[in-house]
Amino acid sequence: SQTIHQWPATLVQPVGSPLSLECTVEGTSNPNLYWYRQAAGRGLQLLFYSVGIGQISSEVPQNLSASRPQDRQFILSSKKLLLSDSGFYLCAWSETSRQYFGPGTRLTVL
Amino acid sequence: GENVEQHPSTLSVQEGDSAVIKCTYSDSASNYFPWYKQELGKRPQLIIDIRSNVGEKKDQRIAVTLNKTAKHFSLHITETQPEDSAVYFCAANSGGSNYKLTFGKGTLLTVNP
Repeated sequence: SQTIHQWPATLVQPVGSPLSLECTVEGTSNPNLYWYRQAAGRGLQLLFYSVGIGQISSEVPQNLSASRPQDRQFILSSKKLLLSDSGFYLCAWSETSRQYFGPGTRLTVL
Repeated sequence: GENVEQHPSTLSVQEGDSAVIKCTYSDSASNYFPWYKQELGKRPQLIIDIRSNVGEKKDQRIAVTLNKTAKHFSLHITETQPEDSAVYFCAANSGGSNYKLTFGKGTLLTVNP
């Protein structure tokens, strides 16, 4: 069966510091991968999605970037965090229409 | 692009009552409509989904209905229990191989014992 991992689970970072969040999927090949952000008490905002290695589509222009260096690895990065980057970051995968979410990373920017 | 509206934003019911959450979508090309349940601090969990070639789908106490003509779909929970308390999100997929989903803003359901 498929499993999706995210780390770290929680992160507290100062404004202006860099960010790297990692997501990996097991038990499937060439999945579609997605990064979402959920602000406190809010909905799910799609940030990036990828249909294959090296293929990244951005949904919202901002100071974040994504990369997919391996088939089942998806990384979310920032060179300089802003206060507004705080939130719950969720990775998801799909083979067909159904998307399944990882456990998430709770990021607090101070 | 696709736009999904979800109502109500909050819903409070007594244990044993039914709960209904409604969503509308804008893109007539949308062909897949999932519902997710998110408990506090947890990841969203897929609870039921429906495709555009089906009008209704049921799984125990939960059911989803789809009206393609009106472009709206609904989640029905019967015999609600306190553990049904959570935020529920609807979503729509506009098709294509990227399977992108556009989510509604969520409904906070509280089931009072």
